Amino acid sequence: DVKVTQSSRYLVKRTGEKVFLECVQDMDHENMFWYRQDPGLGLRLIYFSYDVKMKEKGDIPEGYSVSREKKERFSLILESASTNQTSMYLCASSIQGFGQPQHFGDGTRLSIL
Amino acid sequence: DQQVKQNSPSLSVQEGRISILNCDYTNSMFDYFLWYKKYPAEGPTFLISISSIKDKNEDGRFTVFLNKSAKHLSLHIVPSQPGDSAVYFCAASANLRGGTSYGKLTFGQGTILTVHP
Repeated sequence: DVKVTQSSRYLVKRTGEKVFLECVQDMDHENMFWYRQDPGLGLRLIYFSYDVKMKEKGDIPEGYSVSREKKERFSLILESASTNQTSMYLCASSIQGFGQPQHFGDGTRLSIL
Repeated sequence: DQQVKQNSPSLSVQEGRISILNCDYTNSMFDYFLWYKKYPAEGPTFLISISSIKDKNEDGRFTVFLNKSAKHLSLHIVPSQPGDSAVYFCAASANLRGGTSYGKLTFGQGTILTVHP
């Protein structure tokens, strides 16, 4: 079974802090993704990566950056956290190729005070 | 611009009956569609998918129907069980030739399904 592990289930940070969310997958997947889930908006893609050190912007990249130094690890960085970044953050991974399903972690509930 | 829309925020059905969850899309480049189920405090899990070359795909109690001309898909659950109560997301993917779609998915807003015993 694919295992996608997010480092924290709950996180509380202050406005202006630099925040790191970590994600690790154990299935040697090429693709990794970061989403945020908000009520009424579904899952929105922030960034994704299709290889080590490769990244592409998703639909809502503003205020975020990412890092992928190793194939199994994909980090989401909030450069200067703001209250509108309070959300559920979900990491996913998939095999490269058309129609491959993404496998998700259990999410990090991030609150910015 | 919501390219994938689930217009029903919630659906309530009786155990044993059929649940029908609907999804509409606007981007004609989408050619692969997936349904995910999400329980509270867990990540979404893949349920079933369909390619645009088909109009139906079945897996046990779950069937997905695709109407390309209407840009509409639906998920049927028969019979519904209380354990099916969850949020259901539809998602779509475009296989961009020469592009870098890399399995990128566009999700709908989700529909909360409640199955009453």
